[in-house]
Amino acid sequence: DAGITQSPRHKVTETGTPVTLRCHQTENHRYMYWYRQDPGHGLRLIHYSYGVKDTDKGEVSDGYSVSRSKTEDFLLTLESATSSQTSVYFCAISPGGADTQYFGPGTRLTVL
Amino acid sequence: DQQVKQNSPSLSVQEGRISILNCDYTNSMFDYFLWYKKYPAEGPTFLISISSIKDKNEDGRFTVFLNKSAKHLSLHIVPSQPGDSAVYFCAANYGGATNKLIFGTGTLLAVQP
Repeated sequence: DAGITQSPRHKVTETGTPVTLRCHQTENHRYMYWYRQDPGHGLRLIHYSYGVKDTDKGEVSDGYSVSRSKTEDFLLTLESATSSQTSVYFCAISPGGADTQYFGPGTRLTVL
Repeated sequence: DQQVKQNSPSLSVQEGRISILNCDYTNSMFDYFLWYKKYPAEGPTFLISISSIKDKNEDGRFTVFLNKSAKHLSLHIVPSQPGDSAVYFCAANYGGATNKLIFGTGTLLAVQP
């Protein structure tokens, strides 16, 4: 298994509160990605990073921000959580932009 | 607009028989296709991939077929085993440096002993 951990694994929060999810890798891969999985939608890309401090938006980036200050950590922040952000969030990594992506175990987030 | 479609939400197969999972896409610019397998409460795991310059790729019990003219790919699992029971996602990308994957909605495969 690729060395990817996500924390927390489960979180319940209230509407309007800020939430930060963390993805940590031990593979020294350059690329990191955040996806959300929802019924009827598969996995959708939120944001991705192609290096320290280098990030870009995916297809469902509204309401989310990211930061990457170290190669090994990629943070996803919901500035003010909404019920529509209830989902399972997956982090993925790849050594290069054209390489296969490997996924972490996921974080289940519930916004009440 | 769903660019990658998996029209069968579920599939049930007997152990030892062939499982065929299907995927259709609409964007002719996709040049690389992947299949991921997902167990409950785990992240997706990479299974097999195929470049648009090929029409078949095989890895053990798993074979992916690509029909570009029909914009269709399929995953064959032979023989199917109970441990293959999982959700299977088809994904596609445009290639290049950013590797943004577009996923289908998934097909739940149940292999009956």
